[in-house]
Amino acid sequence: GENVEQHPSTLSVQEGDSAVIKCTYSDSASNYFPWYKQELGKRPQLIIDIRSNVGEKKDQRIAVTLNKTAKHFSLHITETQPEDSAVYFCAASSHFQKLVFGTGTRLLVSP
Amino acid sequence: GAGVSQTPSNKVTEKGKYVELRCDPISGHTALYWYRQSLGQGPEFLIYFQGTGAADDSGLPNDRFFAVRPEGSVSTLKIQRTERGDSAMYLCASSLGPGDEQFFGPGTRLTVL
Repeated sequence: GENVEQHPSTLSVQEGDSAVIKCTYSDSASNYFPWYKQELGKRPQLIIDIRSNVGEKKDQRIAVTLNKTAKHFSLHITETQPEDSAVYFCAASSHFQKLVFGTGTRLLVSP
Repeated sequence: GAGVSQTPSNKVTEKGKYVELRCDPISGHTALYWYRQSLGQGPEFLIYFQGTGAADDSGLPNDRFFAVRPEGSVSTLKIQRTERGDSAMYLCASSLGPGDEQFFGPGTRLTVL
């Protein structure tokens, strides 16, 4: 079955810096890659997603890149703000069904 | 409109007891998913419904776990003979259809004493 690995497990940056979180997946059939943000005690919320027919997608300060050959995808957050502090999960899905999640990255943005 | 809701928000039970967790998806969403999230981990897939039928139940850990969605809307996750290892946050998500964005509910935190 699908296996998703996520790095780093924790990431501390200064406000205004960029943050990059990387994930690798094992199933070459995976074709949908969402990123979720989860604040403490809250539900996961989708922040951006990418499908396998696209290499890069951007939404304001957030971007995701996908390398299908290497089976890895990354989340890029620019101009980080304290409110970006949360746990971020990558996920992969084949046949547009169940999501297989990574283990999460705790991002801390210090003012 | 209303998002995905789950009840109860917290459930404390004793080892060996039976529990039911309820999920109300967003109206009109045909796909419904159950996930389990342990502390410090990512959500782990349990079961996926398309309409009334379980399209994929490969994530259910054993036969103590069962889920239903009889009318294609509300779903109930049922756990028999609960064990301490079942303690976790149980998350429900729904999407308009397969492949669409999955919206998560607030979860039910299950504690088995």
